[in-house]
Amino acid sequence: NAGVTQTPKFRVLKTGQSMTLLCAQDMNHEYMYWYRQDPGMGLRLIHYSVGEGTTAKGEVPDGYNVSRLKKQNFLLGLESAAPSQTSVYFCASSPPGGGTGELFFGEGSRLTVL
Amino acid sequence: AQSVTQPDIHITVSEGASLELRCNYSYGATPYLFWYVQSPGQGLQLLLKYFSGDTLVQGIKGFEAEFKRSQSSFNLRKPSVHWSDAAEYFCAGSNTGFQKLVFGTGTRLLVSP
Repeated sequence: NAGVTQTPKFRVLKTGQSMTLLCAQDMNHEYMYWYRQDPGMGLRLIHYSVGEGTTAKGEVPDGYNVSRLKKQNFLLGLESAAPSQTSVYFCASSPPGGGTGELFFGEGSRLTVL
Repeated sequence: AQSVTQPDIHITVSEGASLELRCNYSYGATPYLFWYVQSPGQGLQLLLKYFSGDTLVQGIKGFEAEFKRSQSSFNLRKPSVHWSDAAEYFCAGSNTGFQKLVFGTGTRLLVSP
């Protein structure tokens, strides 16, 4: 049972380059989320989606775009990477309406922007 | 702003000793409150949650937490810590639905022999 899978797990970018992080879940969850984790700051919500074709901004959306073309996938894009976007990115999912409130997390993607 | 606060960045506990990790919240109404654990190199896993009702909630791995409205707290406890409990612990809360959980900054637990 794969759960939530993130690819790639590690990536190094140069300032100004673009990239896409892919999140895939096999639990038929409606809700999906992208968080970033930085030392001393916990997890901060970037964008989230409450269903296929929908997206919404979280706490720190600037510099990121997302798409939810298929229910099982949630993509996070960086159009022009900046060193401030060096972070560990986590995708999560949850059942419709948030279910019991439990988020199911992937293992994270570590991004370094030089 | 509505938030959760974890005042302790690091805590060291001897194996077999009891543990209490602090979490304070600032929500007007009773929020949804959660504790998650993150082992090194892993994603977060839910330990327990509080929505309403009994203020003492039991979770996985022998953890429990108590919701105290008068103190705006939701502290995590374990009576006897094991070396495998060494990890980072996050308190999280929301009063606007589960899609906008706010996480605390985390407390790193170190377990000494």
